[in-house]
Amino acid sequence: SSELTQDPAVSVALGQTVRITCQGDSLRSYYARWYQQKPGQAPVLVIYGKNNRPSGIPDRFSGSSSGNTASLTITGAQAEDEADYYCNSRDSSGNRWVFGGGTKLTVL
Amino acid sequence: EVQLVESGGVVVQPGGSLRLSCAASGFTFDDYTMHWVRQPPGKGLEWVSLISWDGSSTYYADSVKGRFTISRDNSKNSLYLQMNSLRTEDTALYYCAKDVAFDIWGQGTMVTVSS
Repeated sequence: SSELTQDPAVSVALGQTVRITCQGDSLRSYYARWYQQKPGQAPVLVIYGKNNRPSGIPDRFSGSSSGNTASLTITGAQAEDEADYYCNSRDSSGNRWVFGGGTKLTVL
Repeated sequence: EVQLVESGGVVVQPGGSLRLSCAASGFTFDDYTMHWVRQPPGKGLEWVSLISWDGSSTYYADSVKGRFTISRDNSKNSLYLQMNSLRTEDTALYYCAKDVAFDIWGQGTMVTVSS
């Protein structure tokens, strides 16, 4: 399968911890990357590789993986973390890419 | 500053053609794989195509294979997407993105396919 599945919506109380998940067969072979997209803006890479953050991404963002599931965890969610989050990885062929359907995160 | 700037998006009729461009600056363009990704209004991201650093390898999503062609001109630090036989379902904001990590994105150019 070349699909990645995400929950459409997740909510978290301000300052609490939230986990956003991404499931797909290709995740058994390839790491997921995670992107944050705020309304009217381009996506921003927040996690890549095993658990790496680009420069400028707060350390409250972390990534993990087990079997066919990748997770993005926000520890101590802030109001500015409210956004859509997308995972992606290579597909099973290794030559093409696929995005998950996205998760809308609401910070209450 | 590392930057990608897309251009070329317009309103086009079904069956028409269009060429999108992406101008890169602030990094060594010919060191990197480049991608096109699209996002229909109000919907999620869809990977469209990638091209290797030297243009020798290209790959496409099934939804555009045979209709779209990705290319690059490293002497001009530019990426292109030739879009033929356009369909209404190709209506989307088209982004270019840098590297296998998609670590830098442009702001996108809007393509509307409508009669």
